[in-house]
Amino acid sequence: DAGVIQSPRHEVTEMGQEVTLRCKPISGHDYLFWYRQTMMRGLELLIYFNNNVPIDDSGMPEDRFSAKMPNASFSTLKIQPSEPRDSAVYFCASRETGGAGGRGEAFFGQGTRLTVV
Amino acid sequence: AQSVTQLDSQVPVFEEAPVELRCNYSSSVSVYLFWYVQYPNQGLQLLLKYLSGSTLVKGINGFEAEFNKSQTSFHLRKPSVHISDTAEYFCAVSSASGGSYIPTFGRGTSLIVHP
Repeated sequence: DAGVIQSPRHEVTEMGQEVTLRCKPISGHDYLFWYRQTMMRGLELLIYFNNNVPIDDSGMPEDRFSAKMPNASFSTLKIQPSEPRDSAVYFCASRETGGAGGRGEAFFGQGTRLTVV
Repeated sequence: AQSVTQLDSQVPVFEEAPVELRCNYSSSVSVYLFWYVQYPNQGLQLLLKYLSGSTLVKGINGFEAEFNKSQTSFHLRKPSVHISDTAEYFCAVSSASGGSYIPTFGRGTSLIVHP
């Protein structure tokens, strides 16, 4: 498997524009996580899905943020409208429940570096 | 609720010296612990994990960590570091709190290996 695939790797956009980040999890993984990494706050969990269903979105900072998982192989994180303080690296990660009962590790994508100017 | 504290934001060390990166956690239930490494402009890669069994866990690249339940710690060690170990290291904890074993990450420790 190619691992978790995120696109784009880099995104530069102007304030007020809509931004869509994409993620393809590892095949067979039933959990998908979106994290945001900043110098100030470290690695924060934004939202996670189990079997394509959003379970906890309490980490989503504002209504400007939304995430979807229309099927087991694709998820999006959308910011509309974007603001400079949204600049960060956004990571997608996936995990399988499997024999470890969900206690196993999450596998991370390479991240999307978002810059809002 | 669960949380992770990485006590050092930055650890400078000379090549071939030993290193220890500290991690303490808090949780009201049984925990599962992980160390990840992040190289510049890369995602996080798993170094090692503790799920059960022996409290001394060996991982990739010569790293090991020891789970100490009484001290709620999971410190990462390497007896002799290389320049290539320069990276950001993250400790993470997951537990049955909420039933879903969602990992919570520490703020990270930057390991800087000098020649």
